[in-house]
Order: sequence, then C-alpha cells, then structure tokens
Amino acid sequence: DAKTTQPNSMESNEEEPVHLPCNHSTISGTDYIHWYRQLPSQGPEYVIHGLTSNVNNRMASLAIAEDRKSSTLILHRATLRDAAVYYCILRPSNNTDKLIFGTGTRLQVFP
Amino acid sequence: DGGITQSPKYLFRKEGQNVTLSCEQNLNHDAMYWYRQDPGQGLRLIYYSQIVNDFQKGDIAEGYSVSREKKESFPLTVTSAQKNPTAFYLCASSLRPGRPYEQYFGPGTRLTVT
Repeated sequence: DAKTTQPNSMESNEEEPVHLPCNHSTISGTDYIHWYRQLPSQGPEYVIHGLTSNVNNRMASLAIAEDRKSSTLILHRATLRDAAVYYCILRPSNNTDKLIFGTGTRLQVFP
Repeated sequence: DGGITQSPKYLFRKEGQNVTLSCEQNLNHDAMYWYRQDPGQGLRLIYYSQIVNDFQKGDIAEGYSVSREKKESFPLTVTSAQKNPTAFYLCASSLRPGRPYEQYFGPGTRLTVT
C-alpha cells in the first residue's frame, strides 16, 4: 500500500489560511487522495478527495501537484473549530474499501 | 436525521469476557466498516462488509468477530482472544463498496478492559 508523509503538527491563527502538506511519492496512477479530519474523541469526518485535478468544496480546497507526488489541503480561513488531526489517505481504485490512516497532522488554531 | 450510531459511548469489561459493540446506520449504505484507534495513532481496519451476510477481514482481525444479518447493523464482538482490547472503536459506512465514496463515521465506543 502506498504511504503518505505528513508533518506531526502545525499551528495557525484564527482567520488565516492554512496549508497542510502531504507527500505521497509512491502514489500509483489510480490512487485517489482523500483527506479526513478528526476532532478530539470523535470519529473522523470526510473533508475532500481528488484524483488529478484541484478540487474545491465548502470545507476546503485540495491542490494536487502535477506529478501527483504531493498534495496540499487548504483551509481558506481557519477557525477554532478547525483544530483537529488531519489525515491524508491514498485510496487505491482497485480496493477502495480500505482507508489506510497514518498518524496525521495535528492542527492547532489560536485566537 | 440520517447517521451512524454506536453504543455505548464508554464500555468497561473484565479481562476474559467477550463484549459486543453496536453499530447501526440509517443511511441505506451498502458497506460498513470497523476500525480500532489506539492513543496517538491512526485508525486500523478490523473488518468490513460490502453486502449483507458477507464480510472480510481487515488488517487486524485476530480476536474479533462480526456479523451482518441486516443492512443497517454491523455488530463487532471483541473476544477474550484479543490480547490488547482496550481502545477506541469506530464504525463507518459508505454508499457502495468498490467506489471511492466517502466513509461516514460514528461517534465511537471507548472500550476499557481491566
């Protein structure tokens, strides 16, 4: 299974944009890039996913490098409620039932 | 409201006892999953089911058992054979198996075995 590498932690101030990086140098051509986040003592929550093109939704944007070896989750204006652990996950198209979670990036947001 | 419910939120058991964790969904999703999370770690897949009366082992199935007799229910039994059962257990579902649909997670059950 292809692996992802994320920083252990990041900090941001409220109202500022946050760029959460993810490296996935062994990604295969048919792996989807998924992002989930988990608030303390809760189940993970889906954020966004993409394959090749950049994606936007109401929660965030996903920027995917042209060679697909890295991606960045962008929170346009961080709020205190965005403080969570963010997981970058590669989801193979041939076995999309398996989400392989790493340890993620813990985002702290300061008022 | 549609969603996934897990009960109870906290569960305490003595070592050597089997315990069953409940997971129910009213989203009409075909696929359901059980994950385990240890402190400071990501989630690991225990079992998953793509359709009623069928399920597959995940990465850490030893010491666990499941059933899928109804579409909306996927209970997990933690048996006495599981060496380190204390953990946070999460149930999830997705619309169809074999597609990159998002997984919806329940609130989790925190199991403590002493």
